Amino acid sequence: EAGVVQSPRYKIIEKKQPVAFWCNPISGHNTLYWYLQNLGQGPELLIRYENEEAVDDSQLPKDRFSAERLKGVDSTLKIQPAELGDSAVYLCASSTSFSQGTQETQYFGPGTRLLVL
Amino acid sequence: SQQGEEDPQALSIQEGENATMNCSYKTSINNLQWYRQNSGRGLVHLILIRSNEREKHSGRLRVTLDTSKKSSSLLITASRAADTASYFCATVSFQGAQKLVFGQGTRLTINP
Repeated sequence: EAGVVQSPRYKIIEKKQPVAFWCNPISGHNTLYWYLQNLGQGPELLIRYENEEAVDDSQLPKDRFSAERLKGVDSTLKIQPAELGDSAVYLCASSTSFSQGTQETQYFGPGTRLLVL
Repeated sequence: SQQGEEDPQALSIQEGENATMNCSYKTSINNLQWYRQNSGRGLVHLILIRSNEREKHSGRLRVTLDTSKKSSSLLITASRAADTASYFCATVSFQGAQKLVFGQGTRLTINP
């Protein structure tokens, strides 16, 4: 079974440029999460989707960050414009949802490491 | 904001020794989970312990939970070089439907 797939794995951009990250969750997982992980820190939730609906985006900086999950499967996280402080690892995770049964274990992708110069 | 605090922040031991990592948290929880992260990789779920459980085992892993002290510990017995990684505790509160709040992690190094 394929795990959570993320691309690209690495991205280097100059500040003020836009950047987008893509995530394909585990097949059948209705819940999708985007996390931000700074160096030496634990992940922090940016946004959680249940199918197409963003049910928790309270930690998403909406002035420059946006996300979408149009068909309830793949998701894209965008930053526009990027700032130096956005340099971090962006992790995507998926899980089953309450309607599918137990929703306790999250499965993480390898992450996209972003460097903003 | 991160709820959990892991202790120690870094731990270096010899292969074969036991490794103990601690996690403290601030608010009431539904369950507490431990994850492992190898360098440059995503997180891997290790074990989940519910608020009404006190101890749980999985292979060489032993997790304890003390809700009165709002703390948990992860014990890895007979450590191996492959156990070298960062270990994170994450809590799920009653209000946060499957919202994991991670600690800062413990960086574990197993020396051969």
